[in-house]
Amino acid sequence: GAVVSQHPSRVICKSGTSVKIECRSLDFQATTMFWYRQFPKQSLMLMATSNEGSKATYEQGVEKDKFLINHASLTLSTLTVTSAHPEDSSFYICSARSRGGFPDTEAFFGQGTRLTVV
Amino acid sequence: DQQVKQNSPSLSVQEGRISILNCDYTNSMFDYFLWYKKYPAEGPTFLISISSIKDKNEDGRFTVFLNKSAKHLSLHIVPSQPGDSAVYFCAANDESGQFYFGTGTSLTVIP
Repeated sequence: GAVVSQHPSRVICKSGTSVKIECRSLDFQATTMFWYRQFPKQSLMLMATSNEGSKATYEQGVEKDKFLINHASLTLSTLTVTSAHPEDSSFYICSARSRGGFPDTEAFFGQGTRLTVV
Repeated sequence: DQQVKQNSPSLSVQEGRISILNCDYTNSMFDYFLWYKKYPAEGPTFLISISSIKDKNEDGRFTVFLNKSAKHLSLHIVPSQPGDSAVYFCAANDESGQFYFGTGTSLTVIP
């Protein structure tokens, strides 16, 4: 099956710094990538949807200036948490949807990134 | 290594009948399980979950069953409706919160 690689898997950063999380589709072209956030024992919350070459669409309540999403190529999307604060500590996961070669309904998930802001 | 498996890539069910989607896992340390539903051109959305201390959780037409000894999870939808046609993903959390997803089962409910 298709593979989505997310890096890093875990990161600890100081309050006020920025952290970049990468999501790569390894063997297919991802026209759309989704970024999620998960709080302990809760479901994934969709943060934003990004299409290659265009600006991301953010869900209501998600600060686009704080969570910068870039989808510059068909195999890479990045999420940058700017000026991180302890309340940003969470599990972030990406999901990618392919163009061609796979059923359009399939989505593939990255392994997730656990962000801890101290 | 696929720790969460959905061995049926597709399933077709008549409207009004029961849909049963299955999921198997290998890691006995998983303590929380979730089902997601995905429509074409949309991201997955949360459907229902279950903690490992329970064996059943029900929400309307959706019921999730957990058999820890068999490391098996199933989602029952009854009665099935055409709007239920989507791809369903099974997911598991380990104690650190790491997510493990299955590869999905495409459900088609025939009117």
